[in-house]
Amino acid sequence: GQSLEQPSEVTAVEGAIVQINCTYQTSGFYGLSWYQQHDGGAPTFLSYNALDGLEETGRFSSFLSRSDSYGYLLLQELQMKDSASYFCAVIDANAGKSTFGDGTTLTVKP
Amino acid sequence: EAGVAQSPRYKIIEKRQSVAFWCNPISGHATLYWYQQILGQGPKLLIQFQNNGVVDDSQLPKDRFSAERLKGVDSTLKIQPAKLEDSAVYLCASSLTTGEQFFGPGTRLTVL
Repeated sequence: GQSLEQPSEVTAVEGAIVQINCTYQTSGFYGLSWYQQHDGGAPTFLSYNALDGLEETGRFSSFLSRSDSYGYLLLQELQMKDSASYFCAVIDANAGKSTFGDGTTLTVKP
Repeated sequence: EAGVAQSPRYKIIEKRQSVAFWCNPISGHATLYWYQQILGQGPKLLIQFQNNGVVDDSQLPKDRFSAERLKGVDSTLKIQPAKLEDSAVYLCASSLTTGEQFFGPGTRLTVL
């Protein structure tokens, strides 16, 4: 089976940098994805890591350490519109099945 | 490029009734997923199709839920009979490459 852990809530101020951690347990790891979901909206894809290291996409970066079963999402230059829930999702090596964490609610304050 | 389409957007039914949801994935996406998302939780995979074959349905309550994907394109998810605990948002997603899924707007189901 698969399980993921991420903090339930994070608060930061506009313009700051915030890191959302995700640790996982899986019998067969293929990759780790990150999604953003605003209240009432659908999840939207942010980033994907299959190999160790940092992937950068604009203000968002994602990091993966396969040996530590750990990843994080880094959000820079926070804006009010970044207030949302952020989910990590582990992809199983056998069938490509995705298991999502319960999400981290990010609140950005002025 | 059109996104993932779902209908209806909202549905209210009484327990023991049946309901069906429809999904049209992004053109060319071979993989289609149905998720159940309960408020405050992450999406839970119900079933995953690759073309019109089932890849994983280990978390689908098969005594009441069924899904099909005819001709490897559109898909329907059915619940019969519905229970109170089925109240949730049902999300359909599709993907072309591993790791990146595109989600539809979801169907918010309320079971009374």
